Amino acid sequence: GAVVSQHPSWVICKSGTSVKIECRSLDFQATTMFWYRQFPKQSLMLMATSNEGSKATYEQGVEKDKFLINHASLTLSTLTVTSAHPEDSSFYICSAPRTSSETQYFGPGTRLLVL
Amino acid sequence: AQSVTQLGSHVSVSEGALVLLRCNYSSSVPPYLFWYVQYPNQGLQLLLKYTSAATLVKGINGFEAEFKKSETSFHLTKPSAHMSDAAEYFCAVRDSGNTPLVFGKGTRLSVIA
Repeated sequence: GAVVSQHPSWVICKSGTSVKIECRSLDFQATTMFWYRQFPKQSLMLMATSNEGSKATYEQGVEKDKFLINHASLTLSTLTVTSAHPEDSSFYICSAPRTSSETQYFGPGTRLLVL
Repeated sequence: AQSVTQLGSHVSVSEGALVLLRCNYSSSVPPYLFWYVQYPNQGLQLLLKYTSAATLVKGINGFEAEFKKSETSFHLTKPSAHMSDAAEYFCAVRDSGNTPLVFGKGTRLSVIA
């Protein structure tokens, strides 16, 4: 069964609004989670690393004030897309490494459409 | 910096034919290597992983991959393609520890009846 969940799976919003996406590790604790973005027919690009109890680390070119990340607990990280615009429409995927198995588990993804 | 190159953005095979998806990596340290599959409008599913144990790795759905250090390759194979194998396949690499994955651009596999 799934070990990482994301909510919501689909969201449609108006331009200028904010959208929060949750990523949960279901049966293990994750001090680190990763957020990726995937545009249609493209690969996954790392946006940021979410660290429990400290600030997220953003990749070059990713606006930290636009993509707010909060790692509130050892099983929950949230990504908030603030003042969303149509160009933010994408597939957002989180992952959490399960250190005991050396594997990263991916959430099912959240498809965001900004109108 | 680590990187992954997947040769061929699109591979088409006949049902029952051999599947070969190519992946070459660049890493300054012994890498962890992964193959993921993504079906349309879905997340990623782990097919198999190499973590410095056996060089021939068997995964789910009949897929396997062989780590060849001399060729810096980790090609994915399956002896006989099924229609259900049609999907996007991503090769990925990372260091040990809690480091993010670096993905290749992906290869779309089509299976022709």
